[in-house]
Amino acid sequence: DADVTQTPRNRITKTGKRIMLECSQTKGHDRMYWYRQDPGLGLQLIYYSFDVKDINKGEISDGYSVSRQAQAKFSLSLESAIPNQTALYFCATSDPGQGAGELFFGEGSRLTVL
Amino acid sequence: GENVEQHPSTLSVQEGDSAVIKCTYSDSASNYFPWYKQELGKGPQLIIDIRSNVGEKKDQRIAVTLNKTAKHFSLHITETQPEDSAVYFCAASKNTGFQKLVFGTGTRLLVSP
Repeated sequence: DADVTQTPRNRITKTGKRIMLECSQTKGHDRMYWYRQDPGLGLQLIYYSFDVKDINKGEISDGYSVSRQAQAKFSLSLESAIPNQTALYFCATSDPGQGAGELFFGEGSRLTVL
Repeated sequence: GENVEQHPSTLSVQEGDSAVIKCTYSDSASNYFPWYKQELGKGPQLIIDIRSNVGEKKDQRIAVTLNKTAKHFSLHITETQPEDSAVYFCAASKNTGFQKLVFGTGTRLLVSP
C-alpha cells in the first residue's frame, strides 16, 4: 500500500459543485501539504499544515479550504468549483525531524471542472 | 519572493547520451535545492538534493552542481536509459526545516532507445 494515499484519483464535476479531495498517510509525519500542478506551471502550494491545530495558506489558497482531521488525514475542499480549478492535485508529507527536507507525494487526484 | 526558472521545457536524447537540466533562482538566501522526478501517473519523487555549502553532489549516474554566485544549479544525468524518461522538477527554499519549496516549471526528458 502507498504511504500517501489520495482519493479520488480522478473526478469530473460541474461548475458550482462542492468537491473534497482526501489524503491519508501512514508515514507518521506531522507536516502535510496540498499542491496543484498545471502544465507548464510546475507545482504550486495551496495549503500546508504542521499539525492538527496549525494550518497555513500557501501561494494559491483562494477558492480552496482544508481540514486536518487527524495527524494522518488532510483534506482539500473546493466549495464551489470553477473550470480554472481543473488541475492535478497532490498531497505530500514531510518529517522535520529527518532534516533532509524530503517531500513524499501521493499519486495525485486529477480534477476536471466542466 | 523566490522565483525559480527551469530550462529546457523538453529534452530529447538518445540512450547513452548525457542530459543536463538547468535552473536559476532569484533569492540569494535560498540554501536548499532538491530535484524531483515525476514518472507518468505518479507523484514527484526526490532523486537528489544539494545544500548551499556544497558545490557538487553525485549519486551514481546523476549529479547536481550549484553556483551560488550566479544563482543557478543543474542536474546532470549520464549514460541515460529509457527509464530516465520522466518530468524533472527543480526547487529552491530558504529553510530546510520547513519545506516551503518553490518549484521550477519542469522539464520533460525523453530518452529514445
